[in-house]
Amino acid sequence: DADVTQTPRNRITKTGKRIMLECSQTKGHDRMYWYRQDPGLGLRLIYYSFDVKDINKGEISDGYSVSRQAQAKFSLSLESAIPNQTALYFCATSEKSSGITRNEQFFGPGTRLTVL
Amino acid sequence: GNSVTQMEGPVTLSEEAFLTINCTYTATGYPSLFWYVQYPGEGLQLLLKATKADDKGSNKGFEATYRKETTSFHLEKGSVQVSDSAVYFCALSPYSGAGSYQLTFGKGTKLSVIP
Repeated sequence: DADVTQTPRNRITKTGKRIMLECSQTKGHDRMYWYRQDPGLGLRLIYYSFDVKDINKGEISDGYSVSRQAQAKFSLSLESAIPNQTALYFCATSEKSSGITRNEQFFGPGTRLTVL
Repeated sequence: GNSVTQMEGPVTLSEEAFLTINCTYTATGYPSLFWYVQYPGEGLQLLLKATKADDKGSNKGFEATYRKETTSFHLEKGSVQVSDSAVYFCALSPYSGAGSYQLTFGKGTKLSVIP
């Protein structure tokens, strides 16, 4: 069974629609992250959460919001989707550790979102 | 700020060829360095890592050495296989400070290995 799961895996929507992407993990990690991947741009951090009550904006948070419903669940919402939010979205998790595993992140399989 | 620069692809090699993917970084102090691999249709997987200068990370025949003097972490493999075809990302995590648990990624290098 996958440790980090994302739903849906693919989604096509229209401009102006509200979309929620969900992420669940069974790794028991405290920290969770949302990234988007665009061709030629690598991965960019949208939001991250160090625990249920600690949520932080990343590099490109405008147009997105998140909810940490539980330690194992972290959702990303697009309140009013626009075409330039078409991308591959990844959820990731990491341990709360200062040892050699510091910030080794584990990724979900991704959600491909297309906004028409 | 922190940044990672890696060689642009795509890179196409014949099976059993030698692979080098260059990665250099800009960061203060001693960041941790990582190589992640993304196989087609999948998420990123950690390939190898190094947490201090002169450390060598290795996994699945891939190696990379943390070079503080040249701020580099080049990925190498002596003999690539078709199954190594993927996108490779270099990344860093700062040693300390507010961003110490965040990853900064390079733009990725697509590798295609042909039989």
